[in-house]
Amino acid sequence: EDQVTQSPEALRLQEGESSSLNCSYTVSGLRGLFWYRQDPGKGPEFLFTLYSAGEEKEKERLKATLTKKESFLHITAPKPEDSATYLCAVPDGGSNFGNEKLTFGTGTRLTIIP
Amino acid sequence: DGGITQSPKYLFRKEGQNVTLSCEQNLNHDAMYWYRQDPGQGLRLIYYSQIVNDFQKGDIAEGYSVSREKKESFPLTVTSAQKNPTAFYLCASRSRVGETQYFGPGTRLLVL
Repeated sequence: EDQVTQSPEALRLQEGESSSLNCSYTVSGLRGLFWYRQDPGKGPEFLFTLYSAGEEKEKERLKATLTKKESFLHITAPKPEDSATYLCAVPDGGSNFGNEKLTFGTGTRLTIIP
Repeated sequence: DGGITQSPKYLFRKEGQNVTLSCEQNLNHDAMYWYRQDPGQGLRLIYYSQIVNDFQKGDIAEGYSVSREKKESFPLTVTSAQKNPTAFYLCASRSRVGETQYFGPGTRLLVL
């Protein structure tokens, strides 16, 4: 069964204190990994898609990386507005390319303290 | 503006009542999805549709029903058979050639 595990469940950082969030997955034939940001009471906002091991993408203070077994979301010098829950998801290994369903992790709740 | 809209933002259901959540998109996306989100759990797929007049059950379809009569619209009905409907419901859509799913703002369903 495809699984996506995110760690830690919650992370509190001081403003400016860099850290990383982890997303590990077990799925046959990875066809992409997605990162989303979700604010309380709102829908997830798309951040990145990574397709192959070694790939990296950046957006402001966030950088996502991918290996064959896990992905990291690095946050550099975070600000309070970066506080949110960060979700990762992968397409189900059993679904067809054009018909995929996503399996989501439970998220990491990030709090940046001023 | 292109995007996904969900209504209402909050919905209250009485015992034994069916309620319908609206999801509309103007992104010209072929595929649409309904998820349920509970505290401490990941998003769970209820139903999805790849094309008009066709839809498939997701992982937790019992107690829910959908229709896809128009490309832009994918309403979800929470029936009285769903015994634990209190949750945050999210609608998403994806273009046929792309893979990213984009989400609406969500509807919070509460039971009176």
